[in-house]
Amino acid sequence: EVQLVQSGAEVKKPGESLKISCKGSGYSFSNNWIAWVRQMPGKGLEWMGIIYPSDSNIRYSPSFQGQVTISADKSISTAYLQWGSLKASDTAMYFCARHGDWEPLRNWGQGTLVTVSS
Amino acid sequence: DIQMTQSPSTLSASVGDRVTITCRASQSISSWLAWYQQKPGKAPKLLIDKASSLESGVPSRFSGSGSGTDFTLTISSLQPDDFATYYCQQYSGYYHSFGQGTKLEIK
Repeated sequence: EVQLVQSGAEVKKPGESLKISCKGSGYSFSNNWIAWVRQMPGKGLEWMGIIYPSDSNIRYSPSFQGQVTISADKSISTAYLQWGSLKASDTAMYFCARHGDWEPLRNWGQGTLVTVSS
Repeated sequence: DIQMTQSPSTLSASVGDRVTITCRASQSISSWLAWYQQKPGKAPKLLIDKASSLESGVPSRFSGSGSGTDFTLTISSLQPDDFATYYCQQYSGYYHSFGQGTKLEIK
């Protein structure tokens, strides 16, 4: 069974750094893309970017380029999303999801709620 | 980047109604179009990929059609479990994008 398990909810202050994780199991982690998707409170889904763990090929949405960093450690089947300096506007639910080449997002993590507040 | 425009933003309907949601891409995406259902507090669930292929386990009252730039999701006879928010997503190439969502409400 394919599973994506994300790290737990975080409460941070503006200016702090953060790295959240997404651990895959039940499939070939290295040879599938992991996407990150943001959902701000009461809003829609926003595609942030993707990583191919096998060769760390990374693509960012122009809206998120320079705002976040996507990475992966294929040795532990885990992808990451990180911020160097959080803003209140980063408050959102963040989902990871798996897909193959030319495939939609078939499997999703449960989401990580990030709250940024002074 | 490819923009996806969904309509309507909100749809009020009754159990048993037939409803249609539309999604338009800013450029041709062939059939690289998926539909998702999301309920409050949950991750989205894939319903349809390649514009019209129903995922395993998804009820046959859901159907998708279209190609190029114009797509539709149809629910033939609404059931209580179908009241949720629906998103289209294009996955043509590396850079994907979602429509803004359609909230399906009980009338």
